[in-house]
Amino acid sequence: QKEVEQDPGPLSVPEGAIVSLNCTYSNSAFQYFMWYRQYSRKGPELLMYTYSSGNKEDGRFTAQVDKSSKYISLFIRDSQPSDSATYLCGSYGQNFVFGPGTRLSVLP
Amino acid sequence: ETGVTQSPTHLIKTRGQQVTLRCSSQSGHNTVSWYQQALGQGPQFIFQYYREEENGRGNFPPRFSGLQFPNYSSELNVNALELDDSALYLCASSATSGSYNEQFFGPGTRLTVL
Repeated sequence: QKEVEQDPGPLSVPEGAIVSLNCTYSNSAFQYFMWYRQYSRKGPELLMYTYSSGNKEDGRFTAQVDKSSKYISLFIRDSQPSDSATYLCGSYGQNFVFGPGTRLSVLP
Repeated sequence: ETGVTQSPTHLIKTRGQQVTLRCSSQSGHNTVSWYQQALGQGPQFIFQYYREEENGRGNFPPRFSGLQFPNYSSELNVNALELDDSALYLCASSATSGSYNEQFFGPGTRLTVL
């Protein structure tokens, strides 16, 4: 079992839709959880990170962690074509571990 | 503030050759981590350098080695290249090691092994 699992998609939504991206993890030692956005042929860009369970909001983005079920989510409100990218979830215990990424397309 | 930079952007090598990739960390960061990202996969941790010492290693063979210099820039060396080494190699820097610190990635070096 991989330490961080993520549905690779691809996921296509119309502009303005609410997007839900999800990950599960297996290592109880993970305490920090983060989301990166990666455009094609670019390095990942940190969107936000959270510590332990709860929600964190930044503009149109909300990250949610449920440690009891080992579930990580990212919600994107009012999605835009510029949000089209691969979204990587990650966890940190002693080192960073990433999921395979979900490829998102937001159609105009 | 200068971000993480990597060179070269692209590289083509043949099987059995050796390659050196370079990374300059973000200003003020003393920790550099290297990742391998195969097509359609997430980044896989290779190793981390903190103050010129290797400080953690993922599941990669010894032919993957590295260095960190006093200015905190870093090199990744891969010997005896194999076809499966074809990937995007990412460098990431953070302010320190030992606990969570935000990690910022460079644009990557795309290595193709023929």
